[in-house]
Amino acid sequence: DTGVSQDPRHKITKRGQNVTFRCDPISEHNRLYWYRQTLGQGPEFLTYFQNEAQLEKSRLLSDRFSAERPKGSFSTLEIQRTEQGDSAMYLCASSLWGSPDTQYFGPGTRLTVL
Amino acid sequence: GQQVMQIPQYQHVQEGEDFTTYCNSSTTLSNIQWYKQRPGGHPVFLIQLVKSGEVKKQKRLTFQFGEAKKNSSLHITATQTTDVGTYFCAGSKGFYGGSQGNLIFGKGTKLSVKP
Repeated sequence: DTGVSQDPRHKITKRGQNVTFRCDPISEHNRLYWYRQTLGQGPEFLTYFQNEAQLEKSRLLSDRFSAERPKGSFSTLEIQRTEQGDSAMYLCASSLWGSPDTQYFGPGTRLTVL
Repeated sequence: GQQVMQIPQYQHVQEGEDFTTYCNSSTTLSNIQWYKQRPGGHPVFLIQLVKSGEVKKQKRLTFQFGEAKKNSSLHITATQTTDVGTYFCAGSKGFYGGSQGNLIFGKGTKLSVKP
């Protein structure tokens, strides 16, 4: 399978704990995006990388959120001091530089904060 | 800020009936994407529309982009149970509009099909 992969698929944590998610994009894609989706809503943009550079961050991305893509391949999204409001599906997508808006999504990580 | 509105929120049809979902943007878009998300699944890319007035077809699905590039529609002819899911439009303002690939999604139209 050469699509976007995400790990873990599900994460249950207690309020106040830190969590980290991983995304592996399609191998030739140099753009990588993180979105958040809550029930009944469309995905909401969080942040975006071109290669290893983080080029855009949404105001939804509070100080407790940090994302990295150190070698321009996989990316991690960390949430510190989780809150119940962080419960959501976290989706990763990737695209080619020449077609940035044709984004292919991974299966997502469903986070539940108790 | 830029908004993308999608109607209806829900649509229940009998198998074989047609289905249409509409997408409207508050600002002119560079392009629009359509995605399908099955229950419990993730958004799957269907198509991209770029040109004003563009119409594209994929089997029973017809996609249109408005002349002003502010609205779009997806029409499914003779729905089947395999069409069940939520259909999202996602607009982009494009590079010259200051977009780096930040797609603005509508809330989606959830389609259910009764066999």
